[in-house]
Amino acid sequence: DTAVSQTPKYLVTQMGNDKSIKCEQNLGHDTMYWYKQDSKKFLKIMFSYNNKELIINETVPNRFSPKSPDKAHLNLHINSLELGDSAVYFCASSQGRRDTQYFGPGTRLTVL
Amino acid sequence: RKEVEQDPGPFNVPEGATVAFNCTYSNSASQSFFWYRQDCRKEPKLLMSVYSSGNEDGRFTAQLNRASQYISLLIRDSKLSDSATYLCVVNPPGGATNKLIFGTGTLLAVQP
Repeated sequence: DTAVSQTPKYLVTQMGNDKSIKCEQNLGHDTMYWYKQDSKKFLKIMFSYNNKELIINETVPNRFSPKSPDKAHLNLHINSLELGDSAVYFCASSQGRRDTQYFGPGTRLTVL
Repeated sequence: RKEVEQDPGPFNVPEGATVAFNCTYSNSASQSFFWYRQDCRKEPKLLMSVYSSGNEDGRFTAQLNRASQYISLLIRDSKLSDSATYLCVVNPPGGATNKLIFGTGTLLAVQP
């Protein structure tokens, strides 16, 4: 009965590689988000989609490309990974743009 | 100046103690305020919303002072299970988006 799920939970890869993280929510929400939490535990929004439409796009390198195939899924693809991309990436969802956000368990990305 | 500022702690308190966390935010037009809790290596979870009139949920009391741009969280009768990082979260103005701005968190360690 997982509400917001992410795969993989851990991802270890080399610099320069391309990787994807997947997120799915079964709450029936129409808005989904990607957040990055760095080594200093600072949590910052990256993207948000509402009904598959991009509504928040923070200052994120264009190596990061979100994709929402439907309201229940929001994936994150990262090209040419760099050391500084190492972080925990959290997916979240909410019903409507101003309702409570529910977070997934996170994907711990380590770039070597 | 950071958009949301918190004392990082750690706050080390004995069981049964009362502890208070403070937070300040920079954008006076911010609209919504929350406290989230994050356990070690877990996702953030909503603890409570913060209203201008102040609100209480069991042992937890949240207060908002718009004039001073200040938010507080009071925990009474601390339990070991309260040990976590407490994140002050603000929803700044900006139309219909749900862009949450997180503080860096305050670490609470409740000692037996």
